[in-house]
Amino acid sequence: DTEVTQTPKHLVMGMTNKKSLKCEQHMGHRAMYWYKQKAKKPPELMFVYSYEKLSINESVPSRFSPECPNSSLLNLHLHALQPEDSALYLCASSQPTDRNEQFFGPGTRLTVL
Amino acid sequence: KQEVTQIPAALSVPEGENLVLNCSFTDSAIYNLQWFRQDPGKGLTSLLLIQSSQREQTSGRLNASLDKSSGRSTLYIAASQPGDSATYLCAVGNTGGFKTIFGAGTRLFVKA
Repeated sequence: DTEVTQTPKHLVMGMTNKKSLKCEQHMGHRAMYWYKQKAKKPPELMFVYSYEKLSINESVPSRFSPECPNSSLLNLHLHALQPEDSALYLCASSQPTDRNEQFFGPGTRLTVL
Repeated sequence: KQEVTQIPAALSVPEGENLVLNCSFTDSAIYNLQWFRQDPGKGLTSLLLIQSSQREQTSGRLNASLDKSSGRSTLYIAASQPGDSATYLCAVGNTGGFKTIFGAGTRLFVKA
């Protein structure tokens, strides 16, 4: 199984809402990532978890809160977002070996009204 | 600070043509380099990964090369097909491969 799944596929939320994005993998990978991708732009790294510990935070605003409950799950909690946060949010996973090849999920398309 | 550039930004070729996509990076101290394909509105599909100690990798009609000293990688696609139409992204991994910086991509259109 080389699949990374993300739910929901689409999400529309208001600026006062609280919502969560979910990512799951069953490849036994011990590193998981969140990326943000705006239209016609490349993905930008947001967070990296390695062995369930936050190892990289790319100065992301606190309205985005990541959580890694176990080695297979990664959540991104959203609160008080702005319209400019509308984007495709991509999750990826990798095994932290010499290759560390990343595998991506299909993404969640987020629209903030 | 690592910067990744991809040339050309867009490319249109007739079916059957061989083509080369280019990726350049400013800091040669990379951990790995990965080539991805992205279809519109979709996630990324990993095509090839080259570790810093390697010079090239091959998978089917795809061949990727890496020259760290000059800060360059190329993706060679042989006998292109309409199904190859997509955006191709180069991603440079630093810090054990965890900190990944993407190029802006090359949008490829293969005409039948």
